[in-house]
Amino acid sequence: NAGVTQTPKFQVLKTGQSMTLQCAQDMNHNSMYWYRQDPGMGLRLIYYSASEGTTDKGEVPNGYNVSRLNKREFSLRLESAAPSQTSVYFCASGFRGGEQYFGPGTRLTVT
Amino acid sequence: GIQVEQSPPDLILQEGANSTLRCNFSDSVNNLQWFHQNPWGQLINLFYIPSGTKQNGRLSATTVATERYSLLYISSSQTTDSGVYFCAVVRSGGYQKVTFGTGTKLQVIP
Repeated sequence: NAGVTQTPKFQVLKTGQSMTLQCAQDMNHNSMYWYRQDPGMGLRLIYYSASEGTTDKGEVPNGYNVSRLNKREFSLRLESAAPSQTSVYFCASGFRGGEQYFGPGTRLTVT
Repeated sequence: GIQVEQSPPDLILQEGANSTLRCNFSDSVNNLQWFHQNPWGQLINLFYIPSGTKQNGRLSATTVATERYSLLYISSSQTTDSGVYFCAVVRSGGYQKVTFGTGTKLQVIP
């Protein structure tokens, strides 16, 4: 039982490049989430998916797209990376309205 | 949107001391969690506590939903308690939009 896994752990991009962050969970949770954490700050919700086939915007969705591939997997895509997207990205999962469990994070630097 | 304020922002404790961290929120909630982010960045679930009181070893938490606050108690602190403590809430009727507080940074010194 791996819980929530994220790949990659670290990534460096040049401005304008694209990439996809992958997240998977093996706890049979319905809901999945993507957050970003900037230095010295709390986490901010980018997008969430209440169930397979649905996605909704969170607090800071601009510049990102998501795909809920199936019940287990939820990916986050940066189409044209900008320095302002330098951050640590966390994926989480949980049952609707219940406790959330977090992955280990992806540290992204955009130069 | 809902505002979540945590206090104090920073706290330094001698090992063995007790402390109380506070989380105030500006609207009614149906979901509240406390997390510990360790110095390596890992987020660890402490409590899922939309109301009432829970205890887990040296840690306990109380949420008074009608007065819009939650407290996290740490007793007999240890150096491994160092890190940042976050509360996170979901506003009632806010579906699953989670809002995090800005955290309390705790340093426990030997």
